[in-house]
Amino acid sequence: ETGVTQTPRHLVMGMTNKKSLKCEQHLGHNAMYWYKQSAKKPLELMFVYSLEERVENNSVPSRFSPECPNSSHLFLHLHTLQPEDSALYLCASSRTWRRQETQYFGPGTRLLVL
Amino acid sequence: AQKVTQAQTEISVVEKEDVTLDCVYETRDTTYYLFWYKQPPSGELVFLIRRNSFDEQNEISGRYSWNFQKSTSSFNFTITASQVVDSAVYFCALSGGDNQGGKLIFGQGTELSVKP
Repeated sequence: ETGVTQTPRHLVMGMTNKKSLKCEQHLGHNAMYWYKQSAKKPLELMFVYSLEERVENNSVPSRFSPECPNSSHLFLHLHTLQPEDSALYLCASSRTWRRQETQYFGPGTRLLVL
Repeated sequence: AQKVTQAQTEISVVEKEDVTLDCVYETRDTTYYLFWYKQPPSGELVFLIRRNSFDEQNEISGRYSWNFQKSTSSFNFTITASQVVDSAVYFCALSGGDNQGGKLIFGQGTELSVKP
């Protein structure tokens, strides 16, 4: 496979469930990102990992918990979510955590919280 | 603070028409990077172009062209002879400030609908 992949593509969960989103990049990049895209809102950066170390956490509620076990994989663990957390969650990667680098995105996970 | 404005929320054109998507940005940095992404209905953001602040040369790639003007802080995107497959949401983005690493500031996006 090439590029950035995300699983699952669609997820429906109740507010008491625990689930995880997975992202994998096959580009040899060292930085990975989680974004949230809600309807009618710009993309919101949630977390950034550079060389497996978290370098950015944009005041995201603790019910979202990221994990980066290696430079190719990124997870977003979800627990006790709220209906307003329903959104498209996009993963991206870039060669390094530097501003001139292009970020490449995965297809996203469409999450619905009931 | 950095900001990106895409004033056109939705644009609808008929196939083969030319269409320009506007992007205006704000930054106090002297070195910065601008990007355009395309998001088709499938959801994935597809990278189209990256431009650095020192390169004001316009770029053409097939039916796509970009006009970068520092004097007006704009980085507009034109699709010539539009096709139905061009229907998507297009995002303009600006690199973060000096101490913000690879952070991107996205505009609200412009939804382009190309009708046959």
